[in-house]
Amino acid sequence: GNSVTQMEGPVTLSEEAFLTINCTYTATGYPSLFWYVQYPGEGLQLLLKATKADDKGSNKGFEATYRKETTSFHLEKGSVQVSDSAVYFCALRLPGTASKLTFGTGTRLQVTL
Amino acid sequence: DAGVIQSPRHEVTEMGQEVTLRCKPISGHDYLFWYRQTMMRGLELLIYFNNNVPIDDSGMPEDRFSAKMPNASFSTLKIQPSEPRDSAVYFCASMAGGQYEQYFGPGTRLTVT
Repeated sequence: GNSVTQMEGPVTLSEEAFLTINCTYTATGYPSLFWYVQYPGEGLQLLLKATKADDKGSNKGFEATYRKETTSFHLEKGSVQVSDSAVYFCALRLPGTASKLTFGTGTRLQVTL
Repeated sequence: DAGVIQSPRHEVTEMGQEVTLRCKPISGHDYLFWYRQTMMRGLELLIYFNNNVPIDDSGMPEDRFSAKMPNASFSTLKIQPSEPRDSAVYFCASMAGGQYEQYFGPGTRLTVT
């Protein structure tokens, strides 16, 4: 079946450190891939997306590249801030599935001063 | 636009009681999704609608759960009777057809004692 696997958290980093959150997927066909972020007490927000192989999604200093050969979509940021503390969800959507998303379990990031 | 609106934000009820959660999607969006989030199971899609019609309810856990969308601007998720294991945060999300981004509401935190 289709699934998304994320690294377990929590991930604790000091401000200005480099961030990587791993995400791999299993899917039939060629999915679109997404990162959503959930700040404390809020709903999820789309952070970035990539719709085909080798696409790079980017937003707010975060980046992720769609790697078909390794079925991965790792999230990176060069210098994290305390305000980046949140839960990050990797997700996929198959073509023709009428917008149904499959989410990973989420990775909590905590950034300290 | 006010975004996706959910009510109530918090609900505490006793086992066996009926619970109704409400959602108002973003105007013009023709997809509506109901999710449940728990520590144990993560984020689960319960049901989604397109143009007010239920498309996929395979995630609804059992017959105690029901969802309706009587018009384009309102949806309900009902649990009857409620059980302690239903305690979770329930999110509603909406999306415009042909787009990628689902917009999430702030969620309803349900506690069943």
